[in-house]
Amino acid sequence: EDKVVQSPLSLVVHEGDTVTLNCSYEVTNFRSLLWYKQEKKAPTFLFMLTSSGIEKKSGRLSSILDKKELFSILNITATQTGDSAVYLCAVITQGGSEKLVFGKGTKLTVNP
Amino acid sequence: DAGVIQSPRHEVTEMGQEVTLRCKPISGHDYLFWYRQTMMRGLELLIYFNNNVPIDDSGMPEDRFSAKMPNASFSTLKIQPSEPRDSAVYFCASRFRGSSYNSPLHFGNGTRLTVT
Repeated sequence: EDKVVQSPLSLVVHEGDTVTLNCSYEVTNFRSLLWYKQEKKAPTFLFMLTSSGIEKKSGRLSSILDKKELFSILNITATQTGDSAVYLCAVITQGGSEKLVFGKGTKLTVNP
Repeated sequence: DAGVIQSPRHEVTEMGQEVTLRCKPISGHDYLFWYRQTMMRGLELLIYFNNNVPIDDSGMPEDRFSAKMPNASFSTLKIQPSEPRDSAVYFCASRFRGSSYNSPLHFGNGTRLTVT
């Protein structure tokens, strides 16, 4: 069965800190890994990673994928209170299925 | 683009009643997904459609759940009869899968269902 595991489950930091969120996966026929941010409503898309070793960056957020070790990290530098959210990792596989398998998320709280 | 639109935003019903959740995907997207989110289990895929055809419904918990997609711009998820354990946030999501480009999944704002 395809599995996505995120760690830590929750994290509390102070504004200005740098955080690293982890996502490991065990899936057959990996195609892509995606990161989402979920505040109070719908998850919103952050990054899609398909190739190993290529960093994707958007402002203070960045992410990288290691297909050999089967994991990805999401880094947030100089955290702000607006970064408080649940960060979800999901994997999509090759082949006939188009479904995304989600991890349970990391709840990040950034205190002022 | 208005994004994925779900209705209602909140639904409170009594055990045994029928519940119908609605979704309008983003225009041009050829895949539509229904997810359920709870604290205990996270986001679970219930069913997904490709070009209005159900492809994988292995996540539908039991026969009380059914989903339809009569056309490219509308889908429903029905629970009949509803039970308290169905209480969750139900998300609809859509994406486009072309031959050389894959868009990420775009979520609606969800329907928070409470069954008393």
